[in-house]
This record gives sequence, C-alpha cells and structure tokens, in this order.
Amino acid sequence: EPEVTQTPSHQVTQMGQEVILRCVPISNHLYFYWYRQILGQKVEFLVSFYNNEISEKSEIFDDQFSVERPDGSNFTLKIRSTKLEDSAMYFCASFTQDAETQYFGPGTRLLVL
Amino acid sequence: QKEVEQDPGPLSVPEGAIVSLNCTYSNSAFQYFMWYRQYSRKGPELLMYTYSSGNKEDGRFTAQVDKSSKYISLFIRDSQPSDSATYLCAMSAVRGAQKLVFGQGTRLTINP
Repeated sequence: EPEVTQTPSHQVTQMGQEVILRCVPISNHLYFYWYRQILGQKVEFLVSFYNNEISEKSEIFDDQFSVERPDGSNFTLKIRSTKLEDSAMYFCASFTQDAETQYFGPGTRLLVL
Repeated sequence: QKEVEQDPGPLSVPEGAIVSLNCTYSNSAFQYFMWYRQYSRKGPELLMYTYSSGNKEDGRFTAQVDKSSKYISLFIRDSQPSDSATYLCAMSAVRGAQKLVFGQGTRLTINP
C-alpha cells in the first residue's frame, strides 16, 4: 500500500541552525501539508501546498518557515533559524481527490537544544 | 471555545469491553470527520472517515456523527490490547484539500 515517507526520523540541532525536513508524498497525490505536534499537545496545521504554491498557512508558519517541492517527488519544510519552541514532531501529509482524506507520514522528531 | 474538544483521558478498560470516544466541535462548517489512531511516537493512521451526519461501521469500529449536536463518537467493540493507542478526532469543512483540525487525542489502554 502506498505511504508517505519522511526523513530523517530524528534530528537534533542547535538553536539558530537551519533544518530541512523531507517528505515523499504518495506518488499520485497533488496536495501536500505539514503539521506539527508538540509533546503532549494536539496536532496543529502549519501549511498546505498545491500546484507549486502555498494554498493556506497558519499563524505558526511565519517567515522562519518555508516549503518547497524541489522535484517531482520530494516536499520539504525548512526552518531557517530554529528556536527551542520548534522542538516537536513534524508530520507531512498528502491528499488527492480520489482519496478519502489526508494520509500522514511517520513524522520527524526535531529537538532544538 | 476551542474549535474541537476531546477528553485527553487517559482511559483504561479491560479487554473485551466496549469503548466510547467522543469529540465536540464548534464550527458548523465542518462536514468531514475522521478518526486517526496514533501509536506512541508514530504518525496518525486513518481509522474511520465519515461525511456529514450518520453512522459508519468497519469491523469492530463504528463512527457516529451528530451534526445537530456537533458531536462525534467512535465505538470500539470487543476491544483488544492492540487497540491501545491515542485516538485523534479530526475534521474539515472541505474534503481533504483543506486543513484538518484535530482534537487533543484520547489515550486508550486495553488491559489483558
């Protein structure tokens, strides 16, 4: 069964460093998303991406964040200068009109020290 | 008022029990309702998907939506230890393309 994959599974970084989280969505999906889940809190929407542009973003998704689809398979989330409060699980999800709803990857656990 | 509310638990029941998990919501525009299961430190896995009001059954799982009360439920019959996980409700106004709004998640333990 097709699935969303994410790399790395874990990342530890120093405050102020840039990180790039990578996702490979399900191959025929056209809508892509990033969510995050701070430990013990709910899953929160960050950004949605369709047709090579951001279609919606939350208040969390400020100028420190950016997304890109650099080729036909990868979808990336970049955090330019990480803060302690960026420590969370980051989930990528994808969707296509033939699917019932969004399908999630296993997540990247980001720890900012 | 939070957009989606879900009792975080934890909820602990014996094997074989019927489990009832619930969410309430405030946004009347929500029409698509999902239940995801999340094992510790893993991604949400789609369990049930329903549109508008009504019931949907899949094996031991039944999802109910009551839009008039803004209340959704997930029932698990003959619960198994492997059902132990966090259950997340999620909803949206538009199928799939729009952001999902999640509840807090209910942590469920099924005791053998």
